Amino acid sequence: AQKVTQAQTEISVVEKEDVTLDCVYETRDTTYYLFWYKQPPSGELVFLIRRNSFDEQNEISGRYSWNFQKSTSSFNFTITASQVVDSAVYFCALSSGGYQKVTFGTGTKLQVIP
Amino acid sequence: EAQVTQNPRYLITVTGKKLTVTCSQNMNHEYMSWYRQDPGLGLRQIYYSMNVEVTDKGDVPEGYKVSRKEKRNFPLILESPSPNQTSLYFCASSTRVGDSNQPQHFGDGTRLSIL
Repeated sequence: AQKVTQAQTEISVVEKEDVTLDCVYETRDTTYYLFWYKQPPSGELVFLIRRNSFDEQNEISGRYSWNFQKSTSSFNFTITASQVVDSAVYFCALSSGGYQKVTFGTGTKLQVIP
Repeated sequence: EAQVTQNPRYLITVTGKKLTVTCSQNMNHEYMSWYRQDPGLGLRQIYYSMNVEVTDKGDVPEGYKVSRKEKRNFPLILESPSPNQTSLYFCASSTRVGDSNQPQHFGDGTRLSIL
């Protein structure tokens, strides 16, 4: 069985603040993939990043960065200098056990206040 | 344009009236999947398909059927819808989840209301 926990249900920050969204996962498999998706108010799901279990390098893409730590089973997402357009629900997801099943966390709603 | 197309986008119907939500992708993807999204529960996988004629249950398959007769289509069938199936549904496709650099491509969602 696999599980993804996003303990933060809702977060509010003031524009230009940094914010970190937490993701903790559980799986018995040694090979797995982790994902982050963004769901803006318009409702579509936007892929942000994929990371496999063998690659623990942190990644930075513009204002976004991801911290993958296998020791703590976490894959946290940081937005630097947040903007109003970052307001959305963010989902962390896990695929393991042959990659057929995908388990999503319950999502974190981020509100960036101008 | 690469896309996953779901129809209808919105549907209000009544308990027990069979309905089908269609999903079609134009990217020649092997893998397709259905999810439902409910407040506080995130997205939960209903069914997935690794290729034509190969389907399997996700985490919440009860009350749903799927078929994969063609690679591009993966319809979701509710034989006897009930109010607890009121939800936002997403179809997704990819070459293979986790096996390439391509992520899952999601459709725009179908909002179903079962009265």
